[in-house]
Amino acid sequence: DAGVIQSPRHEVTEMGQEVTLRCKPISGHNSLFWYRQTMMRGLELLIYFNNNVPIDDSGMPEDRFSAKMPNASFSTLKIQPSEPRDSAVYFCASSLLGGVDNQPQHFGDGTRLSIL
Amino acid sequence: QQPVQSPQAVILREGEDAVINCSSSKALYSVHWYRQKHGEAPVFLMILLKGGEQKGHEKISASFNEKKQQSSLYLTASQLSYSGTYFCGTGERGTYKYIFGTGTRLKVLA
Repeated sequence: DAGVIQSPRHEVTEMGQEVTLRCKPISGHNSLFWYRQTMMRGLELLIYFNNNVPIDDSGMPEDRFSAKMPNASFSTLKIQPSEPRDSAVYFCASSLLGGVDNQPQHFGDGTRLSIL
Repeated sequence: QQPVQSPQAVILREGEDAVINCSSSKALYSVHWYRQKHGEAPVFLMILLKGGEQKGHEKISASFNEKKQQSSLYLTASQLSYSGTYFCGTGERGTYKYIFGTGTRLKVLA
């Protein structure tokens, strides 16, 4: 079975540009998570979807960040405009419903984002 | 509030044992454990549900003490492949918030 698929794997762009990260969850999983990982702050949950509906976006740092899940097999995380402090590894994870308590989360390989 | 893990880092020789602790200031509903190798994604190890423990992976086991709001991960007879950063994760009861712990870097030497 295919795992969680993220694209691109690496992104380098200049400050002020729009960045779009993409995620395809595991088929049949109905929970999707976006995380950001940095040395300073560790793994932070940005937003969590259940059945394509955003449930908790309290981790989204600013209005510059937005996430969508138009269908069960696709989600995007956008940063507009991007800033150097947004540089991090962004992970997408999916699980069966209940991924915050009794279901494991399966992570994609991540997108390493560098904003110059 | 992020769960605090201890120790922050540990170095072992192959075959030695280690314990990693995860403590929360809030009541734990369940605890997940993940391992992340350098440059890779976190990989699920096991889940401990309230009132029980669950062995999930190789010679790695864990316990969950609800009263103390703590979980411990036990690595027995460590192998080189155990090297990586270990994270505990927990969901806040009554919400959909999910928080990872501070992480423990583990290095196993030959």
